Amino acid sequence: DAKTTQPNSMESNEEEPVHLPCNHSTISGTDYIHWYRQLPSQGPEYVIHGLTSNVNNRMASLAIAEDRKSSTLILHRATLRDAAVYYCILGNFGNEKLTFGTGTRLTIIP
Amino acid sequence: ETGVTQTPRHLVMGMTNKKSLKCEQHLGHNAMYWYKQSAKKPLELMFVYSLEERVENNSVPSRFSPECPNSSHLFLHLHTLQPEDSALYLCASSQSYRDIVRPQHFGDGTRLSIL
Repeated sequence: DAKTTQPNSMESNEEEPVHLPCNHSTISGTDYIHWYRQLPSQGPEYVIHGLTSNVNNRMASLAIAEDRKSSTLILHRATLRDAAVYYCILGNFGNEKLTFGTGTRLTIIP
Repeated sequence: ETGVTQTPRHLVMGMTNKKSLKCEQHLGHNAMYWYKQSAKKPLELMFVYSLEERVENNSVPSRFSPECPNSSHLFLHLHTLQPEDSALYLCASSQSYRDIVRPQHFGDGTRLSIL
């Protein structure tokens, strides 16, 4: 299975943009890049996913490198509610299991 | 509100007890999952049900017994558990199992403590 690498922790100031990186140098051409987050005392929550092109939704944006070996989750204006562990996960048709790593713990500073 | 409800939220049991965890989804999904999240460890997939049929069993000890009576309900029956089974047990559902672009929706979990 292709693996992802994320920083263990990051800090950001409230109301500023946050860029969460993910490296996936062994990604295959059919792997989708998924992001989930887990707020304290809650289950994981889907954030966004993409294949090749950058993606936007109401929660975040996903920027995918041209060679697809890395991606960045962008929170445009962090709030205290965005403090969570963020997981970058690869998956494809035929290997649909979500394999969670340890993720990035994001702390938002008021 | 994720559409996936787990009960109870907290459970304390002795090693000789028998208890069950319940999960209910109101999303019309066809696939349901059990995960285990131990302290300081990543989520581990335990079981997957698709259209009420078990399709994944990731080497889970037999003291954990899943049941999926219909596509909206999932149970995890527990008996003779060990202290290392103390963890957060998460249920999730998705539109279908073989569709990676459909996200999984998680409940908030049952915090299980084994005395």
